[in-house]
Amino acid sequence: AQSVTQPDIHITVSEGASLELRCNYSYGATPYLFWYVQSPGQGLQLLLKYFSGDTLVQGIKGFEAEFKRSQSSFNLRKPSVHWSDAAEYFCAVGMDTGRRALTFGSGTRLQVQP
Amino acid sequence: ETGVTQSPTHLIKTRGQQVTLRCSSQSGHNTVSWYQQALGQGPQFIFQYYREEENGRGNFPPRFSGLQFPNYSSELNVNALELDDSALYLCASSWGSNQPQHFGDGTRLSIL
Repeated sequence: AQSVTQPDIHITVSEGASLELRCNYSYGATPYLFWYVQSPGQGLQLLLKYFSGDTLVQGIKGFEAEFKRSQSSFNLRKPSVHWSDAAEYFCAVGMDTGRRALTFGSGTRLQVQP
Repeated sequence: ETGVTQSPTHLIKTRGQQVTLRCSSQSGHNTVSWYQQALGQGPQFIFQYYREEENGRGNFPPRFSGLQFPNYSSELNVNALELDDSALYLCASSWGSNQPQHFGDGTRLSIL
């Protein structure tokens, strides 16, 4: 069975600082990997996705993520965090993108200090 | 383009009651998935509908059931509500196996 681990429950960074959110997955084949963001009281917004090809993927809002097969990781990064980035971030893995269930991690809550 | 819309936004029920949640998929999307998100947790897959047929189910009991209509909108029905059913219920729609799932804002269900 597939699973996702987000080791950091809560991260606090200063505005303008760099950010890295960790995600490790367990999956028997080539995974489809996603990062979603959730603001309070809202649904999930897709930040970026990895299907195949270039292991460094660019997303919206200046986020990027790198797929490392040898480490079973798909960490999310941003070079300079803005106060509006404060939210909950979820990593997810699936057998494909739209026709199968996604398995989510338990999330990382990002707090941004002024 | 209209995104995924869910209704109602909030709902309060008591134990033993039944509830129906509704989802209108994004225009052109033929697949709808439902997820349950308990407080402080990531979403958990309930089931998925593709072209009006159930296309996969997570580890949820049969009292969780669903429907998809010809216009691809969907309902989630939960019978015999339990306190642990209190959660945010998220609907996601997609088109095809290589397009990502787009989520609605969810229905917050509280069981008293």
